[in-house]
Amino acid sequence: AQKVTQTQTSISVVEKTTVTMDCVYETRDSSYFLFWYKQTASGEIVFLIRQDSYKKENATVGHYSLNFQKPKSSIGLIITATQIEDSAVYFCAMREYSNTNKVVFGTGTRLQVLP
Amino acid sequence: NSKVIQTPRYLVKGQGQKAKMRCIPEKGHPVVFWYQQNKNNEFKFLINFQNQEVLQQIDMTEKRFSAECPSNSPCSLEIQSSEAGDSALYLCASSLSGGAETLYFGSGTRLTVL
Repeated sequence: AQKVTQTQTSISVVEKTTVTMDCVYETRDSSYFLFWYKQTASGEIVFLIRQDSYKKENATVGHYSLNFQKPKSSIGLIITATQIEDSAVYFCAMREYSNTNKVVFGTGTRLQVLP
Repeated sequence: NSKVIQTPRYLVKGQGQKAKMRCIPEKGHPVVFWYQQNKNNEFKFLINFQNQEVLQQIDMTEKRFSAECPSNSPCSLEIQSSEAGDSALYLCASSLSGGAETLYFGSGTRLTVL
């Protein structure tokens, strides 16, 4: 069965530092897609970055990058040079190639960036 | 800014009342998802559509919830008889079809059932 787990409920960092948020997933599919989203205090959910399972290279978009460790079923989100406005809840999600109708989310990690 | 438009932003209902919320997906997106997000941030899948057809829905949705995505009209999700446990943030998301496609979310409808 499809499952996404985020064990870190809350992280605090000082601005301009680097933070890593963990996510592990379970799937029987050999092909799948992993996503990270950010939910702000207003409730708005924004797509950040995606990793395709067949790609060995870690995805990078702006100051977001991924640490994809396929043998460990792990997809960590790395934010470098954090800013106050990065404070939000970050969700990991997975969509299987064989069942694109289903998108499963983790329970999120709350990031607080302190001045 | 969200290109997926959800209305209303807030909805307050008494137990047993109907609660209806609407969603206009992003233009050109044939797939629409509805999720319920509880206070623990858990996303619960409710139902999804491709164009006007239901793709998948959970049992709860079949019994007390009704949803549709008519052509040329907003999609809607309606709770026939609200219960206190239905209080949550209801999120609509749309996407292109295909597994690699990301979901684009609306701002949500926060339902409070008194």
